[in-house]
Amino acid sequence: ILNVEQSPQSLHVQEGDSTNFTCSFPSSNFYALHWYRWETAKSPEALFVMTLNGDEKKKGRISATLNTKEGYSYLYIKGSQPEDSATYLCARTTGANNLFFGTGTRLTVIP
Amino acid sequence: DTGVSQDPRHKITKRGQNVTFRCDPISEHNRLYWYRQTLGQGPEFLTYFQNEAQLEKSRLLSDRFSAERPKGSFSTLEIQRTEQGDSAMYLCASSLTYEAGNTIYFGEGSWLTVV
Repeated sequence: ILNVEQSPQSLHVQEGDSTNFTCSFPSSNFYALHWYRWETAKSPEALFVMTLNGDEKKKGRISATLNTKEGYSYLYIKGSQPEDSATYLCARTTGANNLFFGTGTRLTVIP
Repeated sequence: DTGVSQDPRHKITKRGQNVTFRCDPISEHNRLYWYRQTLGQGPEFLTYFQNEAQLEKSRLLSDRFSAERPKGSFSTLEIQRTEQGDSAMYLCASSLTYEAGNTIYFGEGSWLTVV
């Protein structure tokens, strides 16, 4: 994998469903993996920064895992709510700390 | 902590005109970044500063683009002789001096439309 790839591109779920997205990235020269939530007309909101293989982070109903050896991270949302509707972006950094983003997963939670 | 602020939020300009965007980072953040986002893409790195020094520029940053961060506080991004392909959202971000786990905080972005 040369670039950061996210799947699926978009997702519609019913309120109360749990869901997850995937972020794949080159495993070489890895420094950190960032997850952001971006709602329309707002700034991207930092969710997690993970650096170590096996890292797991949690913030309320949202959690993320990291596998640096195989180059992927999962973001989980438990019991989706309409306010979770947003684009979820992941980005990796290399030594210079420049973020290289995927194209995002657009989540729509249907009430 | 008022967050990263950007101005203007929206700019419509005629092709060939110059535009300038301003970014005020979170105070005490040494690093300041500029990104550009076009439809259907994730944000793409343009350049970053460590204090007042511009340390890296992407190949996306053509000669028509110039960024400055005098005194290591706010930054400006100027686009000269704008082209329709410059239409995008320009995002500014800031962080403390880099360590792998530091969070990078974004502003709300400046939308540019070149007509």
